[in-house]
Amino acid sequence: KNQVEQSPQSLIILEGKNCTLQCNYTVSPFSNLRWYKQDTGRGPVSLTIMTFSENTKSNGRYTATLDADTKQSSLHITASQLSDSASYICVVSAYVPGDMRFGAGTRLTVKP
Amino acid sequence: NAGVTQTPKFQVLKTGQSMTLQCAQDMNHEYMSWYRQDPGMGLRLIHYSVGAGITDQGEVPNGYNVSRSTTEDFPLRLLSAAPSQTSVYFCASSYSGGRATDTQYFGPGTRLTVL
Repeated sequence: KNQVEQSPQSLIILEGKNCTLQCNYTVSPFSNLRWYKQDTGRGPVSLTIMTFSENTKSNGRYTATLDADTKQSSLHITASQLSDSASYICVVSAYVPGDMRFGAGTRLTVKP
Repeated sequence: NAGVTQTPKFQVLKTGQSMTLQCAQDMNHEYMSWYRQDPGMGLRLIHYSVGAGITDQGEVPNGYNVSRSTTEDFPLRLLSAAPSQTSVYFCASSYSGGRATDTQYFGPGTRLTVL
């Protein structure tokens, strides 16, 4: 069973609207949580990285939140643009090198 | 600064053939890794390396070999290709492999089809 679950699987929104993507995890012990953006046909690109002590991190119109007690994270996208159409992947790391667990991603489509 | 480069971008193999996927980085990163990405699934770790001369298995290592003779290069070898190895392969690098909050950089991927 995957230790990182993302929802929804896919999402369609209109340009200019906001949206929130969810990530629940059971990885333990917890080191950090990352959100990546993956455009079609490309490798993932890092958006945010948060440690246990951080509960919010922003990168432009992207804001990630983390609740380490409930093991939940969200990625909020403000004023969406067509270029935000991509898959968004949540990744949770333990303290062992290489022990990074990837969610299956949320496929976001922004329509004009 | 090219980042992480992968070759080839596309490859078609017949069952039983062998090949090597190339990966190189110019950021002097100690940690490098190989993932495969299949539809509907998260990226899965195949092999990783924490430095030159050191490699270890990830979640799905069967059918793949790696070596790390230099800091820059981390090739992935398919020993005898099988249709189940049809996937998109990504190489990645970072300073510490996810333990600390350093950024992990991914290559553009290699799309492999095994007939």
